[in-house]
Amino acid sequence: DIQMTQSPSSVSASVGDRVTITCRASQGISSWLAWYQQKPGKAPKLLISDASNLQSGVPSRFSGSGSGTEFTLTISSLQPEDFATYYCQQANSFPLTFGGGTKVEIK
Amino acid sequence: EVHLVESGGDLVQPGGSLRLSCAASGLTFSSYEMNWVRQAPGKGLEWVSYISSSGSVIYYADSVKGRFTISRDNAKNSLYLQMNSLRAEDTAVYYCARVARGGYYEIGLWGQGTLVTVSS
Repeated sequence: DIQMTQSPSSVSASVGDRVTITCRASQGISSWLAWYQQKPGKAPKLLISDASNLQSGVPSRFSGSGSGTEFTLTISSLQPEDFATYYCQQANSFPLTFGGGTKVEIK
Repeated sequence: EVHLVESGGDLVQPGGSLRLSCAASGLTFSSYEMNWVRQAPGKGLEWVSYISSSGSVIYYADSVKGRFTISRDNAKNSLYLQMNSLRAEDTAVYYCARVARGGYYEIGLWGQGTLVTVSS
């Protein structure tokens, strides 16, 4: 199974800050990597597919990069509505696996 | 508008059974692969099972293999998860989840979730 390791597990940041979240795969997954945002009590929302493909309606302050085993999600200027938990997921092979999550909290 | 609505979650004793359902609307259900994903209270996301659009290809997480069965009825626009021999560690919100694109495995649409609690 492919293990997905996210870091950090939590980050405290202020509105306007740049935030970067890292996701590492235990083996190469090409660009088969997705990022999700989840707010408390809600289902996750797909932000990015194929490591860097921003989904329709997702603000351009979100961006993704990477390939192989190392990936990043960047929020260029954090907004109040961005405080949430973010998960990566490898979409390369079954079993599908998620990272442990990164909680973005208000500083 | 596209919707996935889960039902069937309940409190069940260890060793018991439960059947979850997911009703799809506003989409061509038969064209999409589907998944069940769960989230234990306060924990992260865990993929549970996948079924192809025709139902001919099925995968399970090791943690549920042999106990859970995924199925679908394309005529009824419905997805199911039969859960047997339930354990305390199966306690979670269960999400019905549609792939974003045919043939790819990221999840583009989620239901609101249904809570399964396994406890005596």
